[in-house]
Amino acid sequence: GDSVTQMEGPVTLSEEAFLTINCTYTATGYPSLFWYVQYPGEGLQLLLKATKADDKGSNKGFEATYRKETTSFHLEKGSVQVSDSAVYFCALSDTGGGNKLTFGTGTQLKVEL
Amino acid sequence: GAVVSQHPSRVICKSGTSVKIECRSLDFQATTMFWYRQFPKQSLMLMATSNEGSKATYEQGVEKDKFLINHASLTLSTLTVTSAHPEDSSFYICSARDQIAGAITDTQYFGPGTRLTVL
Repeated sequence: GDSVTQMEGPVTLSEEAFLTINCTYTATGYPSLFWYVQYPGEGLQLLLKATKADDKGSNKGFEATYRKETTSFHLEKGSVQVSDSAVYFCALSDTGGGNKLTFGTGTQLKVEL
Repeated sequence: GAVVSQHPSRVICKSGTSVKIECRSLDFQATTMFWYRQFPKQSLMLMATSNEGSKATYEQGVEKDKFLINHASLTLSTLTVTSAHPEDSSFYICSARDQIAGAITDTQYFGPGTRLTVL
């Protein structure tokens, strides 16, 4: 079945550091890929998405490129801020699976001054 | 756009009582909504898929008689936890699928979640 694997956290960075959160996936069809962010005590917010190979999703300085050859969708940001501290979830939606979302386990990011 | 609300945000109830959680899509119509459960520091677990005008589809291991789902309109789905027990305490999150005709994929937008505590 479909699955998403994320790097374990927590990831602790200093403000303005470069961020990479790795995400790889396994899917039987041609999935769409998503990154969601969850701030403490809140629900999930869509951060970015990519629907086909080589697409790059971007939002608020975050980027991720859909790499079919490596089945990856790594999240990057050039300069993190304290306000980026949250839990980040990688997810896929496989059209063959009724568009259900399959989530990774989440990676907690802590950004310190 | 694409805002999903949940009500209540927090609820505390006594063991044996029932609790209803509402999920609304505020600025779009959603024929499909999803209900998730999240345990502390864990990922989201899909409980069921709620389809407007028809019965919900439950994931394996989820008791449909305990977690009643009603999707009576294109903007509202409800989850009722019946005869709640302390082990039902959790963070419940709904999402609504914004279906755009002709789009390659639909996007799910999530509500802010409901923290249920059963005493």
